[in-house]
Amino acid sequence: KQEVTQIPAALSVPEGENLVLNCSFTDSAIYNLQWFRQDPGKGLTSLLLIQSSQREQTSGRLNASLDKSSGRSTLYIAASQPGDSATYLCAVRPHQAGTALIFGKGTTLSVSS
Amino acid sequence: AAGVIQSPRHLIKEKRETATLKCYPIPRHDTVYWYQQGPGQDPQFLISFYEKMQSDKGSIPDRFSAQQFSDYHSELNMSSLELGDSALYFCASSQGRGYEQYFGPGTRLTVT
Repeated sequence: KQEVTQIPAALSVPEGENLVLNCSFTDSAIYNLQWFRQDPGKGLTSLLLIQSSQREQTSGRLNASLDKSSGRSTLYIAASQPGDSATYLCAVRPHQAGTALIFGKGTTLSVSS
Repeated sequence: AAGVIQSPRHLIKEKRETATLKCYPIPRHDTVYWYQQGPGQDPQFLISFYEKMQSDKGSIPDRFSAQQFSDYHSELNMSSLELGDSALYFCASSQGRGYEQYFGPGTRLTVT
């Protein structure tokens, strides 16, 4: 059964710092991986989608990498800002499970000014 | 750009009542997914539909049922509500089953 783990569960950094959020999954046979942002009590905003054949994707200050063989993905946030404060969720689409996303429990990021 | 629409945004029900949640996918998206997120939990997949047929089934209780209509909108019907059903219910849509899922703002269901 696919399991997704995110470390750390919470992270506090000062404004301007570069940071890395980690996501690991137990079964490397994935179709794709998505990173989401969730503000408290709000919906999920898709940040980046990496197909299983890709190594990384970039959007603005965000860069996500995927190492399928080792079951890991990282989300790099450059020059963090207070507005980046949110919970970041990693989700994998297992190849054999069809369409469902399996989520990690998220990393709650707090960026102080 | 049009996003996924969910209604209602908030719903308060009593135990043993029924509730219906609605989801309107992004135009031209043919696949709809339902997820449940309990307090402090990660989203859990419930069920999905592709071209109006059930595509995948997760941890959806037997008290819940769902369907996708001819205009691709979907409804999640919940009966005999329990306190533990209190959660955020998300709908997501994609253009095909293997593509990026876009999430709606969610419906917050509170069962008292």
